[in-house]
Amino acid sequence: AQKVTQAQTEISVVEKEDVTLDCVYETRDTTYYLFWYKQPPSGELVFLIRRNSFDEQNEISGRYSWNFQKSTSSFNFTITASQVVDSAVYFCALSEAQAAGNKLTFGGGTRVLVKP
Amino acid sequence: NAGVMQNPRHLVRRRGQEARLRCSPMKGHSHVYWYRQLPEEGLKFMVYLQKENIIDESGMPKERFSAEFPKEGPSILRIQQVVRGDSAAYFCASSPTELNTEAFFGQGTRLTVV
Repeated sequence: AQKVTQAQTEISVVEKEDVTLDCVYETRDTTYYLFWYKQPPSGELVFLIRRNSFDEQNEISGRYSWNFQKSTSSFNFTITASQVVDSAVYFCALSEAQAAGNKLTFGGGTRVLVKP
Repeated sequence: NAGVMQNPRHLVRRRGQEARLRCSPMKGHSHVYWYRQLPEEGLKFMVYLQKENIIDESGMPKERFSAEFPKEGPSILRIQQVVRGDSAAYFCASSPTELNTEAFFGQGTRLTVV
């Protein structure tokens, strides 16, 4: 069965520091998709990125970057030069191609607190 | 171009009452997913529906919980005889196809059972 583990429950940094969130996944499917979502204090879920299992290229979007390492089943997320507005809970999620629909398995989340 | 709409945003019920949570998917989306987020936890899949069909209900509790997505109107998650442990945020997501595209989430309904 699929599983997503976010070992860090909470990370506290000072503004402008970099922060890396770890995500390790388990799946038997050879085709799968990995996601990151942000949940700010207001509670909604904000989509950040979707990556398929055949694309191991790292991606950068502004201050965000993602490192996909299939060999270690990890999909880590880095926020560069963090800002107070980055304070939120971040969820990593997995979707298997063989599962019906777009069913997501979420990790437990990492709470990021950025202090001014 | 409205996103996924959930209502109510907040719902308070006394123990034993029924809770009805509504989800209107994005326009053109015929696939709906419900997730539950208990306090301080991640989201857990509950059920996946297409119009008039339940496709996967492997995450639904066996009793008191039901879901529907009728031909017309929103998807409904119904919780009968609520208990304190049902207090959680319930999120709905929709997608245009069954493929593994991005799922668009609503803002959630926060259910509090008193």
